[in-house]
Amino acid sequence: EVQLLESGGGLVQPGGSLRLSCAASGFTISTYAMTWVRQAPGKGLDWVSVIYGSGVPAYYADSVKGRFTISRDNSKNTLYLEMNSLRAEDTAVYYCARYNSGWDEDYWGQGTLVTVSS
Amino acid sequence: EIVLTQSPATLSLSPGERATLSCRASQSVSTYLGWFQQKPGQAPRLLIHDASNRAAGIPARFSGSGSGTDFTLTISSLEPEDFAVYYCQQRSSWPRTFGQGTKVEIK
Repeated sequence: EVQLLESGGGLVQPGGSLRLSCAASGFTISTYAMTWVRQAPGKGLDWVSVIYGSGVPAYYADSVKGRFTISRDNSKNTLYLEMNSLRAEDTAVYYCARYNSGWDEDYWGQGTLVTVSS
Repeated sequence: EIVLTQSPATLSLSPGERATLSCRASQSVSTYLGWFQQKPGQAPRLLIHDASNRAAGIPARFSGSGSGTDFTLTISSLEPEDFAVYYCQQRSSWPRTFGQGTKVEIK
């Protein structure tokens, strides 16, 4: 059974950093592109970043470019999102998801909440 | 980036009624358009990919149509579990973008 489990969310001050993890099971992440999507409280879905199965390339939303870095550790079957220079507007539930061969998000994690506040 | 505009923002219907949701793209996305359903406290779920193809396990009452810039998601007869928020998403180019969502609520 395919499962994705995010962790690492929490309360952080503006300007701070946080690293999110997404542990995958039931499949090998090295053979799939993976993505992060976020959702601010009461708002819609906001695509954040993608990393290809090979690890390159990676793409980012303009709103996070230069501040966030997506990466993967295939030996741990885990996806990461390193978030620096956090802003109040980064407050959201962060979901990781897997892209299938058709480039659709077919499996999602349950999400982890990041709150940026002083 | 490609902007997706969904309408209406809210659709108030009764179980058994037909729901028609619209998604318009700011430029052509061919048929690289998907639809997701999201219920409170849950992750999104893929319903339709490539404009008109149901994802695995999705009931036949869900159907999608359109190409280019105009797309429609139709729920032929609403079941109680279909009341949720629906998002369209384009995969024509990076960055991926979502519409702002349509809430289907019980009338």
